[in-house]
Amino acid sequence: EIVLTQSPGTLSLSPGERATLSCRASQSVSSSYLAWYQQKPGQAPRLLIYGASSRATGIPDRFSGSGSGTDFTLTISRLEPEDFAVYYCQQYGSSLGITFGQGTRLEIK
Amino acid sequence: EVQLVQSGAEVKKPGESLKISCKGSGYSFTSYWIGWVRQMPGKGLEWMGIIYPGDSDTRYSPSFQGQVTISADKSISTAYLQWSSLKASDTAMYYCARTKRYPYYFDYWGQGTLVTVSS
Repeated sequence: EIVLTQSPGTLSLSPGERATLSCRASQSVSSSYLAWYQQKPGQAPRLLIYGASSRATGIPDRFSGSGSGTDFTLTISRLEPEDFAVYYCQQYGSSLGITFGQGTRLEIK
Repeated sequence: EVQLVQSGAEVKKPGESLKISCKGSGYSFTSYWIGWVRQMPGKGLEWMGIIYPGDSDTRYSPSFQGQVTISADKSISTAYLQWSSLKASDTAMYYCARTKRYPYYFDYWGQGTLVTVSS
């Protein structure tokens, strides 16, 4: 099983600032099969990024994904109030199945 | 509009059985996989398993193999997650989610079903 480790656990920033979230895999994720999700309290997760860098339908361009191999990053260029939430990465490049990271909580400073 | 609508919250006692559902609409139900994801209180997302309603091909996470059963009835566009004997540790929110293939990312999610197991 591929283990995903997200850092930091909690990120405290102010609206307008840039957020950088990390997701590191225990082994290489084939074909950059890495997705990012946003989850707000009381809501289901929402797909943001797939294929490491492709934005899902309707996702603002302030969200961007990058990386390959074992190191992936989600960047939010200028934080809006509605961006404060928990973010999860997910890999889907292993025949052994799907795994999620433990999440990064993005909170208002 | 693609929708996954899950059954309502459940309160059960340890040892009881339970089957929760996820009804898809707005797309070809038999052409997409439906996965199940657990979220324990205050915790992260855990993939449980997945089913292809077109032919009932089912895969389980090793962590959940033998603990739950995933099924689907394509005639009513509904997938199911069931337990034969619940434990207190099964208390969690359970989400269903759609994906085009396996393994892949989930593009649409249900609203979640809260299962509470308590004596």
